[in-house]
Amino acid sequence: AQSVTQLDSQVPVFEEAPVELRCNYSSSVSVYLFWYVQYPNQGLQLLLKYLSGSTLVKSINGFEAEFNKSQTSFHLRKPSVHISDTAEYFCAVSDDFGNEKLTFGTGTRLTIIP
Amino acid sequence: DAGVIQSPRHEVTEMGQEVTLRCKPISGHNSLFWYRQTMMRGLELLIYFNNNVPIDDSGMPEDRFSAKMPNASFSTLKIQPSEPRDSAVYFCASSLGGRNIQYFGAGTRLSVL
Repeated sequence: AQSVTQLDSQVPVFEEAPVELRCNYSSSVSVYLFWYVQYPNQGLQLLLKYLSGSTLVKSINGFEAEFNKSQTSFHLRKPSVHISDTAEYFCAVSDDFGNEKLTFGTGTRLTIIP
Repeated sequence: DAGVIQSPRHEVTEMGQEVTLRCKPISGHNSLFWYRQTMMRGLELLIYFNNNVPIDDSGMPEDRFSAKMPNASFSTLKIQPSEPRDSAVYFCASSLGGRNIQYFGAGTRLSVL
């Protein structure tokens, strides 16, 4: 069975400051990793994903995440945040044995302070 | 593309009543997922279908919950009888299957009084 831990339930950050949202996973098999974002009163949207290849993956709006197998982590970073980044961020994992099931972390609420 | 469409957006009902949540996946997608989101338990997968067949229903809480997918363009999640602890936001998502992205609907906020 897999699990995902997002240690920070809330992260307040000043506008234009950098941010890191932490995600650690536990699995006995190879995994695929995802970050989803949920804006208020909306469904989740995929932000970025790691399936294979380069361990550093980037989104179109400046976020990036690095897969670290030895530390079983997939932390999300952005060098300079904007008010529009205010949202809840979910890390998720699935195994690579054909099961499409995603296991989500409990989420991190990112609040941008003007 | 209209995306994943869920109805109703909000549902308020009394304990003991039957509740039916509906989902229309994105056309051409062959996998459909039902999730429940609560403050206490976060986002949980209830069940998912592939090509209209239930593949994993291990997350369905109990016999009061049932899900169907009679065709590729429609799915329902039914709770009978409903209880206050079922109050949550229920999301439907669809994908092309495999490692493809899951696209989420806007959710149904259910309140059971």
